[in-house]
Amino acid sequence: AQRVTQPEKLLSVFKGAPVELKCNYSYSGSPELFWYVQYSRQRLQLLLRHISRESIKGFTADLNKGETSFHLKKPFAQEEDSAMYYCALVNAGGTSYGKLTFGQGTILTVHP
Amino acid sequence: DAGVTQSPTHLIKTRGQHVTLRCSPISGHKSVSWYQQVLGQGPQFIFQYYEKEERGRGNFPDRFSARQFPNYSSELNVNALLLGDSALYLCASSSTRQGGDTEAFFGQGTRLTVV
Repeated sequence: AQRVTQPEKLLSVFKGAPVELKCNYSYSGSPELFWYVQYSRQRLQLLLRHISRESIKGFTADLNKGETSFHLKKPFAQEEDSAMYYCALVNAGGTSYGKLTFGQGTILTVHP
Repeated sequence: DAGVTQSPTHLIKTRGQHVTLRCSPISGHKSVSWYQQVLGQGPQFIFQYYEKEERGRGNFPDRFSARQFPNYSSELNVNALLLGDSALYLCASSSTRQGGDTEAFFGQGTRLTVV
């Protein structure tokens, strides 16, 4: 069964410091992975998807199939990055096609 | 476009009752998915509907059911409510069936409390 693990529930850094939010997955097949973000009092929204290899708001994430990881990184954190971050994997086949499997989330706090 | 809209935003029900939650997708989106988010956990997939047919089902009991209407709006129904059904219920819409290149847009959710 597919699974997404975010080992850190809470992560605190200071403004300007690098940040890395960890995500590991298990999936029998070629994974399609996403990072979603939820800012305070806002709805859950897509931050980036691995398939498009984009950088959004300075964040990047590289899929490492050998380590089954999809860590989210930003070289210089900003206070506005404080939010809940979810790593997610989509089921691209079978009876649960389209199912997004989410990790438990990491609350990132960036201190001034 | 207001984005994905869900109603009601909050409701309180008693154990054993039935509840209906509603979702209107973004105009032009044909796929609607439902998720349950219990406090402290990530969203869990319940159903996906595409072109008015069920296309995916998560590991939830038969007390949970859903449907999609010709205008692509959707309802989630939960029968015989249990205390454990208390959660935030999220609806997500996408233009096609969710895949690696498809963005899911989420609503604000319906907060259900079962007492």
